Amino acid sequence: GAGVSQSPSNKVTEKGKDVELRCDPISGHTALYWYRQSLGQGLEFLIYFQGNSAPDKSGLPSDRFSAERTGGSVSTLTIQRTQQEDSAVYLCASSPEGEKLFFGSGTQLSVL
Amino acid sequence: AQSVAQPEDQVNVAEGNPLTVKCTYSVSGNPYLFWYVQYPNRGLQFLLKYITGDNLVKGSYGFEAEFNKSQTSFHLKKPSALVSDSALYFCAVRDSITGGGNKLTFGTGTQLKVEL
Repeated sequence: GAGVSQSPSNKVTEKGKDVELRCDPISGHTALYWYRQSLGQGLEFLIYFQGNSAPDKSGLPSDRFSAERTGGSVSTLTIQRTQQEDSAVYLCASSPEGEKLFFGSGTQLSVL
Repeated sequence: AQSVAQPEDQVNVAEGNPLTVKCTYSVSGNPYLFWYVQYPNRGLQFLLKYITGDNLVKGSYGFEAEFNKSQTSFHLKKPSALVSDSALYFCAVRDSITGGGNKLTFGTGTQLKVEL
């Protein structure tokens, strides 16, 4: 079956613009995670969904970041007024039980 | 709060030699521990996990890890390294006492380089 799909794979934007990153999890996976990977920083937790609700939003860096999940499936991570420090690879993962995570290939975001 | 430390940014080992990638953790309750691997230009893949039971867990590609509660460690090991094992390895932890759901905290990663 299909894995976790993220789009776009690459996004180049200008400082101050808004961007939307999409994640299609594996069908039936109730848990969905967003992480950010920067060079030398490892994986930084952003937000976690169980179904459509987000029990843990503690990792969102600022109020410019938001995420939603609809129908217990697709999730969108939105970054408003992008800054250069937002440049990173944004990774989405889904899981049936919250233990083994299945990761997508990520979206490489570059803010010029 | 839960946290993970991977003290080595890079580990170099000769092919055929045993390898160890170190990981220590901190949690309030009991730990659920994981190793993931990221090959060049590929997504993160699950290697193995420890939830409960035998302290030595075996995973994919001949890797194993040993849970040591007294040292709060979960080091990744392989008896004989291959050049194809060269990749970025991440240790991760989840606290059995969950206040915010199933948040998984990752370490900063260790680059493994296996040379001929």
